[in-house]
Amino acid sequence: DSGVTQTPKHLITATGQRVTLRCSPRSGDLSVYWYQQSLDQGLQFLIQYYNGEERAKGNILERFSAQQFPDLHSELNLSSLELGDSALYFCASSVAGNYGYTFGSGTRLTVV
Amino acid sequence: AQSVTQLDSQVPVFEEAPVELRCNYSSSVSVYLFWYVQYPNQGLQLLLKYLSGSTLVKGINGFEAEFNKSQTSFHLRKPSVHISDTAEYFCAVTRANAGGTSYGKLTFGQGTILTVHP
Repeated sequence: DSGVTQTPKHLITATGQRVTLRCSPRSGDLSVYWYQQSLDQGLQFLIQYYNGEERAKGNILERFSAQQFPDLHSELNLSSLELGDSALYFCASSVAGNYGYTFGSGTRLTVV
Repeated sequence: AQSVTQLDSQVPVFEEAPVELRCNYSSSVSVYLFWYVQYPNQGLQLLLKYLSGSTLVKGINGFEAEFNKSQTSFHLRKPSVHISDTAEYFCAVTRANAGGTSYGKLTFGQGTILTVHP
């Protein structure tokens, strides 16, 4: 157990639908990062939050959004889903002082 | 911006043989470097990282990597592999931080699939 918790582990949904992926960072970690892993694109950075504020944005589609709540958990919202959104979505958190990026076990999203 | 190139998409080796997984990076600023391993249907586990100091970094499971600034490389090595090392390996880079508390994103290479044969 890495200490970063992602739910759900698996998600199957239809095209056009909306889903929410949840991430609880390691205790004390203020930064949360979201990544998408697919066979053709590899590991792509989506977005970073630090202590509730958006810190950096990567290749995140406009149909996707995220937020970090006061208790530091984060949610990634994916809407108007397309078949190409099928991927593994990882969350990571980091702690100041030792560059410890810790990854969760991911949410596998399948859009049918 | 930083980028990472993993020079081999697949590396097959026999058990107990040595292995080297190659990683080159590009950056106009100082960087920190990482190697992660991903076993099938699992998340990413940190093998080792280079932040500063000795250019030879030792990690878990007998792996080590050498930072070469002039060659902009961070190759991963293991002197004798086991079947259990079969996995995908990712090299990653982030901009070195001058001392803040919020670290930047990790940029990953495309991954190298290491297959260890008996």
